[in-house]
Amino acid sequence: AQKVTQAQTEISVVEKEDVTLDCVYETRDTTYYLFWYKQPPSGELVFLIRRNSFDEQNEISGRYSWNFQKSTSSFNFTITASQVVDSAVYFCALSVPPGLYSGAGSYQLTFGKGTKLSVIP
Amino acid sequence: DGGITQSPKYLFRKEGQNVTLSCEQNLNHDAMYWYRQDPGQGLRLIYYSQIVNDFQKGDIAEGYSVSREKKESFPLTVTSAQKNPTAFYLCATTWGQNNSPLHFGNGTRLTVT
Repeated sequence: AQKVTQAQTEISVVEKEDVTLDCVYETRDTTYYLFWYKQPPSGELVFLIRRNSFDEQNEISGRYSWNFQKSTSSFNFTITASQVVDSAVYFCALSVPPGLYSGAGSYQLTFGKGTKLSVIP
Repeated sequence: DGGITQSPKYLFRKEGQNVTLSCEQNLNHDAMYWYRQDPGQGLRLIYYSQIVNDFQKGDIAEGYSVSREKKESFPLTVTSAQKNPTAFYLCATTWGQNNSPLHFGNGTRLTVT
């Protein structure tokens, strides 16, 4: 069974501070995919990044960066110089390939419980 | 514009009534999913469908039913058998490959009193 743990339920930072959101995952599969989603107050989940288990390179996209470490089963997300618009709930998620007799579309995402980030002006 | 439309955004029902939530997509995606979100609980999978006329139960399917008569549509019925129906419901679609991210609709907030 898969599990994703986001230990930080809520975080508050002052604008322009850096903040790291933690994500720890559990799976026995050697092939898997990790995702981060952002959920602003409007409710829609917005895809941020996808990483497969064979690619441990860190990634940077503007003020966002991700640190994937298989040794610690972690996929942490850092926002540099936070802004009020970053206020949202952030979800980490894990997917593994479907079973032998399941179709490709049957893969399922296991979500963490989310971290609510509040950026104070 | 391509996207996923969930309607209505807010829905109120009396206990004991069935209610159907709509999800329509024009992304031409094969797979569609229904998730339930409760405060502090993350997202939990209710049902998913890989192709038309086929669907499978997720982790919390009891008290729910779905249909997939058209590729574009995947309505979710919350039946009176669902003990705690008040929640935020999210529909998602994807091409159906392991590395394809899910695209989400704006959600429907259902309140049952």
